[in-house]
Parts: sequence; structure tokens; C-alpha cells
Amino acid sequence: EAQVTQNPRYLITVTGKKLTVTCSQNMNHEYMSWYRQDPGLGLRQIYYSMNVEVTDKGDVPEGYKVSRKEKRNFPLILESPSPNQTSLYFCASSLARVGYEQYFGPGTRLTVT
Amino acid sequence: AQKITQTQPGMFVQEKEAVTLDCTYDTSDQSYGLFWYKQPSSGEMIFLIYQGSYDEQNATEGRYSLNFQKARKSANLVISASQLGDSAMYFCAMRGYGGSQGNLIFGKGTKLSVKP
Repeated sequence: EAQVTQNPRYLITVTGKKLTVTCSQNMNHEYMSWYRQDPGLGLRQIYYSMNVEVTDKGDVPEGYKVSRKEKRNFPLILESPSPNQTSLYFCASSLARVGYEQYFGPGTRLTVT
Repeated sequence: AQKITQTQPGMFVQEKEAVTLDCTYDTSDQSYGLFWYKQPSSGEMIFLIYQGSYDEQNATEGRYSLNFQKARKSANLVISASQLGDSAMYFCAMRGYGGSQGNLIFGKGTKLSVKP
């Protein structure tokens, strides 16, 4: 089954404790992206990757890091989480950057206390 | 800069009736794509329908159709014969294929509630 998976689905952590949210897709997609969703703000892009070893900032990259060492994986790293990073996070992938729909993972609900 | 505007934070519709969710957009790209996604209370994002800026006909997918008016820069979603399972958040999104770098930009969403 074609899908995007994210882990963990739910996470409660404390300020400053480094964490990684994994994202993996099995569709051989080149383009992958991370979004955060906050009430009243819709989805905002954090980082995206057009292919292996090619990543770039989205609209709200501060406080986040990403890496793309393999085509299928695109982890999101929070080196020192803060309460304002409490949000619902989505990973998405598509065959290419343009012209194709994005497939979304199930979401990761992160709470930073 | 690109922008998506959804002016209806919440809407109600009677079951079996049709409903239109509004979306207007702004872009300097000549070529772009417009998308609608559904987010039920369970949280996942479900792709509904796509319209390309050069498509001459409005897109349709089952009970979903996209009323595309290019001159007015609007891309409204029409859901026919509403069902209780249509109750969800709906997001309009756009992807420009020119200088905007091709990233997907979302509106803030419309919460649709279907009444029995």
C-alpha cells in the first residue's frame, strides 16, 4: 500500500529535550515536505526536500532541522524544543515538486511543556 | 507573494443539500495548480480534487466539483448531496509553477458541519 508514515503519532516532551520525528514514504517520491498546523493558521511549511541531500527552508523553519540521506526518509529534528513548537506536524511527499498532489502522513501531535 | 483566502471559518449544511466552500487566491505565476483537501476530526489530510490553471473545464471527482473562475481568481469547492461524513475541515491550497518555487500554500480552512 502506497503511504507516508510518521512516528511517533503522539509525543509529550519537555523544553530543551532533543527529539526526532521520522517520516518515510514507499512511493519513490522525490519531493518531501514538513508542515505544522496550528488552530486558525492552516498549514505552514517548515522545510522541504527536492531530492536526496537537497533541502531548503519553508515559511517557518526556525527551531527545526531536517536531513535527506535516503530518498524514502525525511526526519524532522527539534534540537531544543520550546512550548511554541507545540503543534500538529505533517509530513508529505509527491512525485515531483510541481504538477502532482501531495500525499500526507497521518500527523504527529507534539506537546512541549 | 502567493496567498490563499478562505473567508468562511465555519458553515452548516443540511444533509443531502449542496454546499459551496469559497476560496480565492493570489499569485504572480502564470501557471499554477489548485487543490482541495479534507481533514476529518481524526486528523489526516485527504486529497479531494485538483484544478490546473490552464484546464478549460472545471474539475470533478464524484460529488466534488471545483468552480474555477480564473479572472476572479476563485476556486470554490462544491459538494453535492452532502452526507454526515462530509463534516470536516476543508483546506484550499495552491502551488505555483513559476517564480513562487512550487511549494504548496494553504488557506486557513473552513469547518463544515452537516446537519441530519
